[in-house]
Amino acid sequence: NAGVTQTPKFQVLKTGQSMTLQCAQDMNHNSMYWYRQDPGMGLRLIYYSASEGTTDKGEVPNGYNVSRLNKREFSLRLESAAPSQTSVYFCASSEQQGLSYEQYFGPGTRLTVT
Amino acid sequence: DQQVKQNSPSLSVQEGRISILNCDYTNSMFDYFLWYKKYPAEGPTFLISISSIKDKNEDGRFTVFLNKSAKHLSLHIVPSQPGDSAVYFCAASEISSGSARQLTFGSGTQLTVLP
Repeated sequence: NAGVTQTPKFQVLKTGQSMTLQCAQDMNHNSMYWYRQDPGMGLRLIYYSASEGTTDKGEVPNGYNVSRLNKREFSLRLESAAPSQTSVYFCASSEQQGLSYEQYFGPGTRLTVT
Repeated sequence: DQQVKQNSPSLSVQEGRISILNCDYTNSMFDYFLWYKKYPAEGPTFLISISSIKDKNEDGRFTVFLNKSAKHLSLHIVPSQPGDSAVYFCAASEISSGSARQLTFGSGTQLTVLP
């Protein structure tokens, strides 16, 4: 039971290049999320998927697209990377249980855009 | 405009003593609160949560207190251990009709437990 996995762990891009960050969870959770974390700040929500087949914008969606490939996988795509997208990206998943809404996070992808 | 604030960027505590981490929020629609612990180069790890219908939740050495009138919550760690040294994030979620909950995070507090 690996929980939430993310690939790659590290990536360096040049401005204008594109890439896709991959995320998979094996906990059979319905909801999945993408966050970014910048130095000295908390995590900010980019996009989320409440269930397979649905996606919604979070707080900072500009410059990103997402795909909920199936119940397990949720990818984040940068079409034309910019230096402002240099950040650590975290994927998370959750399943509501009663009043509990805990999200479980992957190890992160550290992205540098030069 | 930060809806969740952790005003102390850092906190140092002696091993065996109590650690108290604080968090304030402004959005009265928040009804669920969580604390996460994060070590360097790892993802955040869920620690403890509390629903707005409660004012206290306890799990082993960790207790979270919620004061809705003051829009304030705190995490108590007793006794503190060197392995507790990490960044602690407070997060909040507001009422939603769906099963997915958007979390709003504070900026974190670096806790250092001194041996």
